[in-house]
Amino acid sequence: SAVISQKPSRDICQRGTSLTIQCQVDSQVTMMFWYRQQPGQSLTLIATANQGSEATYESGFVIDKFPISRPNLTFSTLTVSNMSPEDSSIYLCSVRFGDTEAFFGQGTRLTVV
Amino acid sequence: GIQVEQSPPDLILQEGANSTLRCNFSDSVNNLQWFHQNPWGQLINLFYIPSGTKQNGRLSATTVATERYSLLYISSSQTTDSGVYFCAVVGSSAGGTSYGKLTFGQGTILTVHP
Repeated sequence: SAVISQKPSRDICQRGTSLTIQCQVDSQVTMMFWYRQQPGQSLTLIATANQGSEATYESGFVIDKFPISRPNLTFSTLTVSNMSPEDSSIYLCSVRFGDTEAFFGQGTRLTVV
Repeated sequence: GIQVEQSPPDLILQEGANSTLRCNFSDSVNNLQWFHQNPWGQLINLFYIPSGTKQNGRLSATTVATERYSLLYISSSQTTDSGVYFCAVVGSSAGGTSYGKLTFGQGTILTVHP
């Protein structure tokens, strides 16, 4: 298993600003994932963050809007840039060890006003 | 990509009742997980079950990979079981940029009344 610490747990932000979400894992992991959950919806993958290379973004998500850093094997950040009310969502980071069970952080509940 | 369908979308129970949640998927899978999302948004791992049957207390799950479905059983439900239950899979044919990608169903919203 894995212990994943995600910060902040929630925030209220003004439109036009940016928020950086941090994800810290208690063990080294090759692949980390960032998901978005819009209100009343399921989870959608934003991108896969690999250490030492550029993140791989899913269709509909772009690096300018959601830049990701992965400086080492236990840490990653997701930035939500130039926010609008449509960005109000829960953002979750996730890890998997090989082809096995995935684990999630507790999520960041973002409200943009 | 792989499609995941969960049913029912909503379920209302009285405390003590039993229930069965279903997850259908459109392709063979390497990974299937059941999660419970609590009211605070946290995803709790229930089962990692790409095939076979597992039990954990009042909860059990069965995945019949050859027929592309999984079932989650909740017995003697409690109010604390309320929340959203998600099924998520990684398709066997997923590769390249989709490696390791979990695809989620739309979830079943469970409400248990006292």
